[in-house]
Amino acid sequence: AQKVTQAQTEISVVEKEDVTLDCVYETRDTTYYLFWYKQPPSGELVFLIRRNSFDEQNEISGRYSWNFQKSTSSFNFTITASQVVDSAVYFCALSEAGIAGFQKLVFGTGTRLLVSP
Amino acid sequence: KAGVTQTPRYLIKTRGQQVTLSCSPISGHRSVSWYQQTPGQGLQFLFEYFSETQRNKGNFPGRFSGRQFSNSRSEMNVSTLELGDSALYLCASSLVGSVQETQYFGPGTRLLVL
Repeated sequence: AQKVTQAQTEISVVEKEDVTLDCVYETRDTTYYLFWYKQPPSGELVFLIRRNSFDEQNEISGRYSWNFQKSTSSFNFTITASQVVDSAVYFCALSEAGIAGFQKLVFGTGTRLLVSP
Repeated sequence: KAGVTQTPRYLIKTRGQQVTLSCSPISGHRSVSWYQQTPGQGLQFLFEYFSETQRNKGNFPGRFSGRQFSNSRSEMNVSTLELGDSALYLCASSLVGSVQETQYFGPGTRLLVL
């Protein structure tokens, strides 16, 4: 069965520090999709990025960057020069085909990031 | 485009009661999924609907049910509420629910069972 592990329960940093959130996944599928979502205190899950298993290029979006490595089954997320507004819980998720062949997301346990001024 | 909307946002019920939560997907999205989030179990998949049919179901008791209407709006129902049903219930939508799609989530409904 698919599994996503986020070993870091909580991380505290001071504003402007760089921080990396780790994500390790397990799957037997050769084709799969990985996601990162942000959950602010309001509760809504905000989509950040999707990566398919064929594309190992790293991606950068502003202060956010993602490092996907199939060899270590990891999909890590780095925030550069963190800001207080980055404080949230971040979830890594794996898309698998459910019984009927359609999508369900398997989530990690989340990493709570606290950025203090 | 409006995002996924969920009503109500907050709900307080007592044990034994039943509750119905509603979700309106992004316009044009036909797949709706439901997830339960609790501090102990994290985010868990409940079920997924497409074209008014349940295609996937997570490992939850039969007290949890849902349906989807012809306009893709979805409801989920929990009967005979238990204290452990207190959770944030999140709804997500995507175009057709295929593996490669991104699911977009609503703000959730916070259910407290007393």
